[in-house]
Amino acid sequence: EVQLVESGGDLVQPGGSLRLSCAASGFTFSDYYMDWVRQAPGKGLEWVGRIRKKANSYTTEYAASVKGRFTVSRDDSKNSLYLQMNSLKTEDTAVYYCARDWWGVDYWGQGTLVTVSS
Amino acid sequence: DIQMTQSPSSVSASVGDRVTITCRASHGISDSLAWFQQRPGKAPRSLIHATSSLRSGVPSKFSGSGSGTDFTLTISSLQPEDFATYYCQQYETYPLTFGGGTKVEIK
Repeated sequence: EVQLVESGGDLVQPGGSLRLSCAASGFTFSDYYMDWVRQAPGKGLEWVGRIRKKANSYTTEYAASVKGRFTVSRDDSKNSLYLQMNSLKTEDTAVYYCARDWWGVDYWGQGTLVTVSS
Repeated sequence: DIQMTQSPSSVSASVGDRVTITCRASHGISDSLAWFQQRPGKAPRSLIHATSSLRSGVPSKFSGSGSGTDFTLTISSLQPEDFATYYCQQYETYPLTFGGGTKVEIK
């Protein structure tokens, strides 16, 4: 069974940093592109970023709203995906979902809440 | 960026009804279109990819169609568990973009 379990969400002050993790199991993690998607309270879904697999040189893509502040990385030896978030803004407050990509997202994690507030 | 516009933003329907949701892309996206269901307080669930291909375990009451810029999701014979918000997403071009969502409510 495919499982994606996010962790690391917390309350952080504007300008602060936070690192989210996603533990994957039930599939060969290294074979897949992986995404982060977020959802602000009461709002719709927003794609945040993607990391490709080793065969594609682990290259990344980002939404304009987070480019230069957020970094997606992975450790295939630990079946883990990460999202390093720096220079956080109040508008980054959201539930952050880890997602597996196979011709679009096929599996989602349960999400972890990040609150940016003073 | 490719803008994804869903309509309607909400629809009221009864158990047993057939519902159709439309998603329009601002530029052509071939068949790179996915649909997701999100129940309140839950993570999204993947329903359809490549416009019309059902994900594993998704019942056949869900169907998708379209190409280029205009796409539809149809839910036949609504059941209580189908009352949720539905999102489309294009994955043809970066940044990947979602529609604003369609809330299917009980009449």
